[in-house]
Amino acid sequence: QVQLVESGGGVVQPGRSLRLSCAASGFTLSSYGIHWVRQAPGKGLEWVAVISYDGSKEYYADSVKGRFTISRDNSKNTLYLQMNSLRTEDTALYYCARDLGQFTKFDPWGHGTLVSVSS
Amino acid sequence: QSVLTQPPSVSAAPGQKVTISCSGSSSNIGNNYVSWYQQLPGTAPKLLIYDNNMRPSGIPDRFSGSKSGTSATLGITGLQTGDEADYYCGTWDSSLIPGLYVFGTGTKVTVL
Repeated sequence: QVQLVESGGGVVQPGRSLRLSCAASGFTLSSYGIHWVRQAPGKGLEWVAVISYDGSKEYYADSVKGRFTISRDNSKNTLYLQMNSLRTEDTALYYCARDLGQFTKFDPWGHGTLVSVSS
Repeated sequence: QSVLTQPPSVSAAPGQKVTISCSGSSSNIGNNYVSWYQQLPGTAPKLLIYDNNMRPSGIPDRFSGSKSGTSATLGITGLQTGDEADYYCGTWDSSLIPGLYVFGTGTKVTVL
């Protein structure tokens, strides 16, 4: 069964850091790009970042560029999102999702991990 | 602030049809494939349509997608109560180098 499971969320103060993980199973992770997408409470979807299947390409939303870093360890079947200098507006449910090609279609999605940035 | 515009809500009675529009520009919809995602209440989004009009395995043919110029449309026929959800369009936007993915503003479908 193709599955993605996020972890690492929690409550953190503004300016601090957090690292999210996305564990993949049921498919060969090294063959796929992976996206991070977030959803603030009661709001719509916001794309955060993507990393190509081999890690050679990384793209970020302007809202997180320079603060967030996406990475992957294919040997551990795991993706990461390092989030630094967190802001209150980063509070959201963070999903990872598999890219099915050309960075234009995401399937499946994980169930998400909640990040709350508050003093 | 999304660059893809969708109506906030649409509604219809069971068995009827609804369409959801997604308006963009030449830097996104006009030159890239569009996908649609369904988010049922309290759950993660699910891929509904990809490459403008293709359905993943398991998605019923009541759901359809189309694209014309800088706009895309999702259609749902034979509306069911289980279709009540938020729907989002999405595509790659190449207006800035190196580009980024953009989602629509989202549309809530209500079955009357």
